[in-house]
Amino acid sequence: DIQMTQSPSTLSASVGDRVTITCRASQSISSSLAWYQQKPGKAPKLLIYKASNLESGVPSRFSGSGSGTEFTLTISSLQPDDFATYYCQQYNSYSQTFGQGTKLEIK
Amino acid sequence: EVQLVESGGGLVQPGGSLRLSCAASGFTFSTYAMHWVRQAPGKGLEYVSAISSNGGSTYYANSVKGRFTISRDNSKNTLYLQMGSLRTEDMAVYYCARDSSDYYLHYFDYWGQGTLVTVSS
Repeated sequence: DIQMTQSPSTLSASVGDRVTITCRASQSISSSLAWYQQKPGKAPKLLIYKASNLESGVPSRFSGSGSGTEFTLTISSLQPDDFATYYCQQYNSYSQTFGQGTKLEIK
Repeated sequence: EVQLVESGGGLVQPGGSLRLSCAASGFTFSTYAMHWVRQAPGKGLEYVSAISSNGGSTYYANSVKGRFTISRDNSKNTLYLQMGSLRTEDMAVYYCARDSSDYYLHYFDYWGQGTLVTVSS
């Protein structure tokens, strides 16, 4: 299976900060990567697909980049609603896998 | 509006069985592949199973292969997950999710709210 490793596992930041979360794949997955946001007790929500495509309705402060094995999710100016856990997911192989998650906390 | 509503979760003893359902509405169910993803308490997301839009192709994670069966009834707009030989490590919230296409090699654009499966004696 392709392993997805996110860093950091926890990130403390303040409203207005610019933050970046990294996701690394154990082998090339081309651009077959999605990012999801999950809040406590809620289902994940799609933010980014094909590494850099913003899902409809998602604020433009979210952006994604990368290809191959290294990917990033950037939030340009943190808002109070953005404090949540973020997961990357590769869908390049039938055995789809998620990163372990990055919890974004208020500093 | 796309809606996915899971049901069927509950308490089951180790070795027991349970069938989860996911009722879909707001879209043409028969044209989308579907998935099950689970999340153990306090843990991350784990991919479980997938089925193509017409039900002709399925996929299972190694952790559930031979114990779980995914199926769908396109006439009822419903996805199922039959779970057998349940283990304590199967305890999780189970989410159904819609694939963005008719085959299960894409991202998930809609998720249900989840149903909790508790495996305990």
